[in-house]
Order: sequence, then C-alpha cells, then structure tokens
Amino acid sequence: EPEVTQTPSHQVTQMGQEVILRCVPISNHLYFYWYRQILGQKVEFLVSFYNNEISEKSEIFDDQFSVERPDGSNFTLKIRSTKLEDSAMYFCASNRAGDLSPGELFFGEGSRLTVL
Amino acid sequence: KQEVTQIPAALSVPEGENLVLNCSFTDSAIYNLQWFRQDPGKGLTSLLLIQSSQREQTSGRLNASLDKSSGRSTLYIAASQPGDSATYLCAGGSNNNDMRFGAGTRLTVKP
Repeated sequence: EPEVTQTPSHQVTQMGQEVILRCVPISNHLYFYWYRQILGQKVEFLVSFYNNEISEKSEIFDDQFSVERPDGSNFTLKIRSTKLEDSAMYFCASNRAGDLSPGELFFGEGSRLTVL
Repeated sequence: KQEVTQIPAALSVPEGENLVLNCSFTDSAIYNLQWFRQDPGKGLTSLLLIQSSQREQTSGRLNASLDKSSGRSTLYIAASQPGDSATYLCAGGSNNNDMRFGAGTRLTVKP
C-alpha cells in the first residue's frame, strides 16, 4: 500500500543550525502539508502546498521556515537558524483531493527534531 | 479557520464496552472531517473521512457521524478491545488546504 515516507526519523541539531526535513508523498497526490506536534501538545498546521506553490500557511510558519518541491517526488521543509522551541515531531501529509472533492489525508511517521 | 475541540481528553473503559468520542468544530461550512488514531511516538493513521455532503461513515467496528448544523462529529467504537488503546484525533477543514486538529482523546481499554 502506498505511503508517505519521511527522513530522517530523528535529527539532533544545535541551536542556530539549519535543518532540512524530507518527505516523499504518495505519488499521485496533489496536495502536500507539513504539521508539527510539540511533545504532549496538539498537532498544529504549518503549511499546505499545491501546484508548486504555498496554498496556505499558519502563523507559526514565519520567515524561518520554507518549503520546496525540488523534483517530482520530494517535498522538503527547511528550518533556518533553529531555536529550542522548534523541538517537535514534524509530520508530512499528502492528499489526492481534486478541486471538487476533499480527499483523505495520509501522514508519514514523522521526523523528530531535537534542538540543543 | 476551524477551531476543533475534543471531549473528553481521556477515557478509560473495560474491554467489550461500546464508546463514543466527541469532536466539535466552529465553522458549520466544514468541507471535510477526518478521524485519526495515534499510538505513542507514532504517526497518524487515518480511520474515517466524512465529506460535507455525508452524514456518516463506517469501517468495521468504527462509525463516524457528522452534524454540520450543531458543529459536531462523533466516533463510535463498538465492542472495544485493548488494541484500541490509543489517542484519537479529529481534524476539520474549511477547504483542502487547511485541516485543523483537536487535542485528541486518549483512550485506554482495560482487559
């Protein structure tokens, strides 16, 4: 069964360093998303991406964050100059929705980011 | 933007019991609502998706309903088993771009 894959599963970084989290969405999906979950807290929306551009972003997704689809398969989240409060599980998701119908969100297993 | 709330935050039941988890949302013009399961330290597994034109969806022992006018969705689990122990999350969106999550209900099913 097709699945969303994420790498790395766990990354430890020093405060101020740049981090890139990678995702391979399900191949025929059109919408891509990043969410994060700080330990013990709710899953928070960061950004959605459709047709090679950001569709929507939350107030969390500031200039420190960027997303890119560098080729036909990967979808990346870059965090510049990481802060301690960026420590969280980051989830990638994808959706095959068309313009007229919502689709089911499928999530990867997550990338745990620890900022020291 | 949807604001999603889940009650209760935690629930403990004996094995075999039927149970209902609740989810409420603020925007009645909801586009879709999806229920997920999350095991500790793991990703989110999709359980059921209800589109705005639907009232309920069923999968095995699970049944999810959607009442847009009251801003509520429920997840019914029949004949609960210890393997059902997990956190259950609901997420609602006003469009395809922006699904917002509740804080979840942590379910424990005791043998």
